Amino acid sequence: EDQVTQSPEALRLQEGESSSLNCSYTVSGLRGLFWYRQDPGKGPEFLFTLYSAGEEKEKERLKATLTKKESFLHITAPKPEDSATYLCAVQHNFNKFYFGSGTKLNVKP
Amino acid sequence: DTAVSQTPKYLVTQMGNDKSIKCEQNLGHDTMYWYKQDSKKFLKIMFSYNNKELIINETVPNRFSPKSPDKAHLNLHINSLELGDSAVYFCASSQVGELNEQFFGPGTRLTVL
Repeated sequence: EDQVTQSPEALRLQEGESSSLNCSYTVSGLRGLFWYRQDPGKGPEFLFTLYSAGEEKEKERLKATLTKKESFLHITAPKPEDSATYLCAVQHNFNKFYFGSGTKLNVKP
Repeated sequence: DTAVSQTPKYLVTQMGNDKSIKCEQNLGHDTMYWYKQDSKKFLKIMFSYNNKELIINETVPNRFSPKSPDKAHLNLHINSLELGDSAVYFCASSQVGELNEQFFGPGTRLTVL
């Protein structure tokens, strides 16, 4: 069964304390893997797309990497404004996307 | 200059009622979606439309009926609302092609009493 699993469910970090979020998938025929950020009461906001194993993308303090079975979102020296839920989604075919349940990140000053 | 908009933002209604949620995108995208986000934050796709044509219809009760009058609009009508329909519903759009990132609306929080 196609599935996307994110871990941990919740992560509390001190400001400046780097860490990684994990997204593992068992979706066949992967077309792309996406990372989104969701703030409370808002819709998900696109961060990255990764298409092939070994690919990396960076944006400010965030770096996303992809292997054949999982993706990592590395957060370097996070700030309180990085607090949000981070969602991973896998595109199976033309328009079908499977989302994980997210990692809720809380960065304390 | 909102990219994807939904109305209403909040919807509180009684069991058995019929309600609609509207969605509009001004990005010129060809594809629009409806997602349901439950209390555990899982986003589950319900429908996908490409150029007004239904292309994905997940296992959703037939009380839910999407309607796309043109490619910029995708509305969701729900008949005979049930308690289990309470959730946040998100509309999204994307362009056809390699860059399939989706742009989401702000969500509609539906509460069925």
